[in-house]
Amino acid sequence: GAVVSQHPSWVICKSGTSVKIECRSLDFQATTMFWYRQFPKQSLMLMATSNEGSKATYEQGVEKDKFLINHASLTLSTLTVTSAHPEDSSFYICSALASGRNHEQFFGPGTRLTVL
Amino acid sequence: QKEVEQNSGPLSVPEGAIASLNCTYSDRGSQSFFWYRQYSGKSPELIMSIYSNGDKEDGRFTAQLNKASQYVSLLIRDSQPSDSATYLCAVTPGAGSYQLTFGKGTKLSVIP
Repeated sequence: GAVVSQHPSWVICKSGTSVKIECRSLDFQATTMFWYRQFPKQSLMLMATSNEGSKATYEQGVEKDKFLINHASLTLSTLTVTSAHPEDSSFYICSALASGRNHEQFFGPGTRLTVL
Repeated sequence: QKEVEQNSGPLSVPEGAIASLNCTYSDRGSQSFFWYRQYSGKSPELIMSIYSNGDKEDGRFTAQLNKASQYVSLLIRDSQPSDSATYLCAVTPGAGSYQLTFGKGTKLSVIP
């Protein structure tokens, strides 16, 4: 149990386009999901907290108009990178909070974004 | 500022030995403690969670928590080359917040 999926696993896009990443909890409901970004050989960086049915909470320095988050159901959160630029190329990882499992947090497999 | 500290390593152990990974945290009110394993290029995988003082064992893994010393550790018995990865210690503050604060991770290398 406690499986989280992400789609797509990798994406290459042209500069200026938008990319949507989906995060799904497959066998549990997650009222809270988190979005992280990780650059090569660096630590995970929390971007935002996504709560079902309400606006996401963004960490300092993360542009909410550039990284749009929607958590429309108890099993799905989406991150849209708008007008992507090469500096947005990174490994984006979501996690889902399993409230029925002592609030353990389970990570999706990640999405590798490359912006040309 | 709430911090989680880990030795960055690399920590090298021979196959079959016990690997000992340590972590300290600054927020005395922290309530939940986790160990994640992250292989290069992959996302973190939860391997242990611990919430109260003492030891918790799961297979070859034992997590130890000492809240008075603000210290968490992970022991890996009979280390295997497949255990070679970066191990992340993570802490949540409690009080309704479940946001993880991560350490920078310890890179473990198990030598065949």
